[in-house]
Amino acid sequence: GGIITQTPKFLIGQEGQKLTLKCQQNFNHDTMYWYRQDSGKGLRLIYYSITENDLQKGDLSEGYDASREKKSSFSLTVTSAQKNEMAVFLCASTTGIYAEQFFGPGTRLTVL
Amino acid sequence: AQSVTQPDARVTVSEGASLQLRCKYSYSGTPYLFWYVQYPRQGLQLLLKYYSGDPVVQGVNGFEAEFSKSNSSFHLRKASVHWSDSAVYFCVSNSGTYQRFGTGTKLQVVP
Repeated sequence: GGIITQTPKFLIGQEGQKLTLKCQQNFNHDTMYWYRQDSGKGLRLIYYSITENDLQKGDLSEGYDASREKKSSFSLTVTSAQKNEMAVFLCASTTGIYAEQFFGPGTRLTVL
Repeated sequence: AQSVTQPDARVTVSEGASLQLRCKYSYSGTPYLFWYVQYPRQGLQLLLKYYSGDPVVQGVNGFEAEFSKSNSSFHLRKASVHWSDSAVYFCVSNSGTYQRFGTGTKLQVVP
C-alpha cells in the first residue's frame, strides 16, 4: 500500500498572490495528476506528469504552473490567485494512464 | 473530443431499494471506463473499471456496471443500497490521453 500527502490542507491567499500546493506519494508511481474540483463540476485536469521532469497540460492549465523534480513529488503553483478559482485541488498518482488512480485528501483554496 | 455525461446531479433512494446511476460517454471507439466514489470527508476511491470482455463488471461493496457500446453508456447499479452508500459517484472515461470525469451524481440514501 501507499499514501498520498497534500500540503497544506487549507490555503488562504490574497487576490493576485502566487501560491504553491505540494503533493507527495510513496506508491513509487510514475504518473501524477493535479485536478481542480469545483462544486457541481466534477474534476478537471490541470496538469499531469508521466515521469520525473515531464509535464503535460490538461484542460485547465491556464493560470497554473507545475513542477515534477522528483518521482515522488508534484507541485502546483497558482500564478496569480483569483476569487473565481476557489476550489479543492486534488493530487493523484497511478502506474499508467489506464490504471486506477489513487487520490490525496485535497487542498482547499480560499482567495480573499 | 471525448466527454462524459452524468445527467442526474442528485439521486435519492430508500434504503434497501435498487439503484441505477447513469453515465454516457462520447467516443467513437471503446474507452477505458471507471466509476469512482467520494464519501463525505474522504478521498476518491475506485469502485470498478472496464475495458473489454463481459459487459457487466463487478466492483466493490456489491456495485456493478454494464457497458453498452450501442448506447455509449456505462451505468452503475446496486441491487440493495445501504445508508453508507450515500456519497458522490463519478463516471470517468479514458480514450488514450488522460481520464475525463463526469460532473458527478450525489446519492442520498434515506430510511
